[in-house]
Amino acid sequence: EPEVTQTPSHQVTQMGQEVILRCVPISNHLYFYWYRQILGQKVEFLVSFYNNEISEKSEIFDDQFSVERPDGSNFTLKIRSTKLEDSAMYFCASRGTAINQPQHFGDGTRLSIL
Amino acid sequence: DQQVKQNSPSLSVQEGRISILNCDYTNSMFDYFLWYKKYPAEGPTFLISISSIKDKNEDGRFTVFLNKSAKHLSLHIVPSQPGDSAVYFCAASDSNYQLIWGAGTKLIIKP
Repeated sequence: EPEVTQTPSHQVTQMGQEVILRCVPISNHLYFYWYRQILGQKVEFLVSFYNNEISEKSEIFDDQFSVERPDGSNFTLKIRSTKLEDSAMYFCASRGTAINQPQHFGDGTRLSIL
Repeated sequence: DQQVKQNSPSLSVQEGRISILNCDYTNSMFDYFLWYKKYPAEGPTFLISISSIKDKNEDGRFTVFLNKSAKHLSLHIVPSQPGDSAVYFCAASDSNYQLIWGAGTKLIIKP
């Protein structure tokens, strides 16, 4: 069964550094998402992406965050200047185009900011 | 923001019995509801969904019930198996398809 893959599984970065989290969505999916889960808290929506542009973003997704689809397969989340509070699990998801298709998730990247 | 609530942090059920996980929501604009299962160190895995025009959807051992007037949905697993032990998340979306998540319920199936 096709799946969403995320790399790396764990990223440790110094505060203030830039980090790029990578995702390969399911190949025929056109809608892409990033979510995060801070330890002990709920999963939170960050951003959705369709047709090479952001379609929705939450208040969390400020100017420090950006997303890109640099080629036909990868979907990346960049955090320009990381803060301690960016430490979380980051999940990528994708879904098909039909109505009421579920989002399928990768196994996440654990981001630890020191 | 408590638009989606799962009030039971954990639930323990005997193997072979029915597991019932509950979820409440407050936003009447939600029109699509999903249940995900999550094992440690893995991402959420889609289980079953229901659109707001239905009140029941069944897939094998899993059935989701939706009560729109009460803004309540539930997931029934019968019979429960040891491999069902995981954290179960309820999620809801409106026409924007961004998922709003509950806090999760940890289901423990006792042998």
